Parts: sequence; C-alpha cells; structure tokens
Amino acid sequence: GENVGLHLPTLSVQEGDNSIINCAYSNSASDYFIWYKQESGKGPQFIIDIRSNMDKRQGQRVTVLLNKTVKHLSLQIAATQPGDSAVYFCAENPSPRGNKLVFGAGTILRVKS
Amino acid sequence: EAGVTQSPTHLIKTRGQQATLRCSPISGHTSVYWYQQALGLGLQFLLWYDEGEERNRGNFPPRFSGRQFPNYSSELNVNALELEDSALYLCASSLRGGSTEAFFGQGTRLTVV
Repeated sequence: GENVGLHLPTLSVQEGDNSIINCAYSNSASDYFIWYKQESGKGPQFIIDIRSNMDKRQGQRVTVLLNKTVKHLSLQIAATQPGDSAVYFCAENPSPRGNKLVFGAGTILRVKS
Repeated sequence: EAGVTQSPTHLIKTRGQQATLRCSPISGHTSVYWYQQALGLGLQFLLWYDEGEERNRGNFPPRFSGRQFPNYSSELNVNALELEDSALYLCASSLRGGSTEAFFGQGTRLTVV
C-alpha cells in the first residue's frame, strides 16, 4: 500500500478540555481536505472539510485550521466529551480533477472522565 | 436516505481462495472508492470507480480488482488470498469527480486463515 504501516499515535485529554489533533499532508497541490472520525467497529464518519482557499473553518465544537505554507492541518475539538473518543484521520485530495482521498495514519483520541 | 451499504459484514476465507466484497453507494453518487484498513493502521487507497470505469488505483497487486455496475454499485475482488489481506475493507461514495466529501460504509471485515 501507499502508507508505511505504523502504530497510531495517541492523544489523551481530560473531559472538558480542548483537543488539538495535527496532521501533516504531503502534496502542495492538494485542494481539499477532510477530517474523519472512526469509532471502534464502524466506518469513518465525516466531521468537517476545508478547501485550499481557506485557512480556517468552524463547525459545531470543531475547527479545522489549514496552513498551506507548512502543509499542516489541525482539528480542534472544544470541550472534549467521552463520545469524542475515536481514531481521527485527515485526508487530502491531491488530484484537482478527480477524487482520490489520501489518508493520514490517524490519531487515537482518548478522553478521560 | 440510506447511506453506503456493504456486504457481507464479515467474511472468512482460507489462503488461496477468492473473496468478493460488495458496495452500494448513496443514491445519486456515481463515484465509489475502496480502502483497506489493516488492524490498528490507517486507510490505504485501493481503487476509485466513476461512471463504470476504474479511474485510479493504489499500490496494490493486480489480484486486487473490481468493477462498477450500471447502477453504480461496486464489487471488490481479491484473488489468491494471503494472510496479510486480512483487514477491514471500506467503501465510500461521493458525487462525481471534483473535491467533494466521501461517505463511508461500515466495512467488510475479511479474515484469511
């Protein structure tokens, strides 16, 4: 496959704190980015997206920041809740015409009560 | 509205056999993507179909193949199964082309023994 097999990094946060999950993407031509949440035993679920002509986008309790200069994407979750515990993946679309989402390795978010 | 559906949810095969996995996209979506997610690892892109044609392929051997039917549903076939093929296979669909969000099914858990 395209990605080297890696054990996923883990972020542990206290319930009620803010979480920041980071992602470095590879292709400077990527024009579209998505964050997905994957709970155990389920498929990835769309959280929020951002296009390359923006540097910030807010949703409900979540904010995505895009820094194209350093090819960095982050997901901020406000007032983290136990239900936010999951694996979070960032994905980039490196092909302007088509759709071939390339996923990052993922980060495990553990929320401590 | 029904989401992306995959069948079967679980599949057990022996080494050397063939596996066929099925995916029905969200109504109105013409693009279907297949991803492999090995246990504890990230998603690796396998195949992208749109309008019945294979548009892009990840770095997987030719024994991973598939097709898309006129109703936009899709099959993923894995021939000559190897133990390392054991993984969660996820299907996603999106509107045709461009940078649009992809919605995932719950996946098929393939176990090769």
